[in-house]
Amino acid sequence: NAGVTQTPKFRVLKTGQSMTLLCAQDMNHEYMYWYRQDPGMGLRLIHYSVGEGTTAKGEVPDGYNVSRLKKQNFLLGLESAAPSQTSVYFCASSQLALSYNEQFFGPGTRLTVL
Amino acid sequence: DQQVKQNSPSLSVQEGRISILNCDYTNSMFDYFLWYKKYPAEGPTFLISISSIKDKNEDGRFTVFLNKSAKHLSLHIVPSQPGDSAVYFCAATTNTGTASKLTFGTGTRLQVTL
Repeated sequence: NAGVTQTPKFRVLKTGQSMTLLCAQDMNHEYMYWYRQDPGMGLRLIHYSVGEGTTAKGEVPDGYNVSRLKKQNFLLGLESAAPSQTSVYFCASSQLALSYNEQFFGPGTRLTVL
Repeated sequence: DQQVKQNSPSLSVQEGRISILNCDYTNSMFDYFLWYKKYPAEGPTFLISISSIKDKNEDGRFTVFLNKSAKHLSLHIVPSQPGDSAVYFCAATTNTGTASKLTFGTGTRLQVTL
């Protein structure tokens, strides 16, 4: 039982390049989330999904797209990377929507955009 | 606008003593609060939570106190152990019946010294 895994762990991009971050969970969770963490700031929600085939915007969605084609996977895409997207990205999943259900986080992807 | 604030970026405590981490919030709609612990190069892990209908929740060495009138919560760790050295994030959410979107504070780095 690996929990939540993220691929890749590190990546360096040049401005304008595109990439996709993959999040996978093996807990059969319905809900999945993408956050970014920047120095001096807490984690901020980018996009989330309430089930296979659904996506919704979070607090900071601009510049990102997501897809949830399979229940266990949640992809985060950067179509044209910008230096402002240099950050650590965390994926999380939870079983239910209720607020008292904890979210399980992956180990993170450190992205640098030059 | 930072809706969840952790005003102390760091805290150093001797092993065996009490650690008190503080968190303030501004959004009166928040009805559930969580603490996450994060080690370097890992994702956050859930530690303890509290509903707004309670003023205290205890789990082993960890106790969270909520003062709704002051919009303040605190995490007490007694006794502190070296393995508790990590960054602690306070998070808050509103139970809308849809995805539990968490709003995080900026974190407090706790160092437990021998």
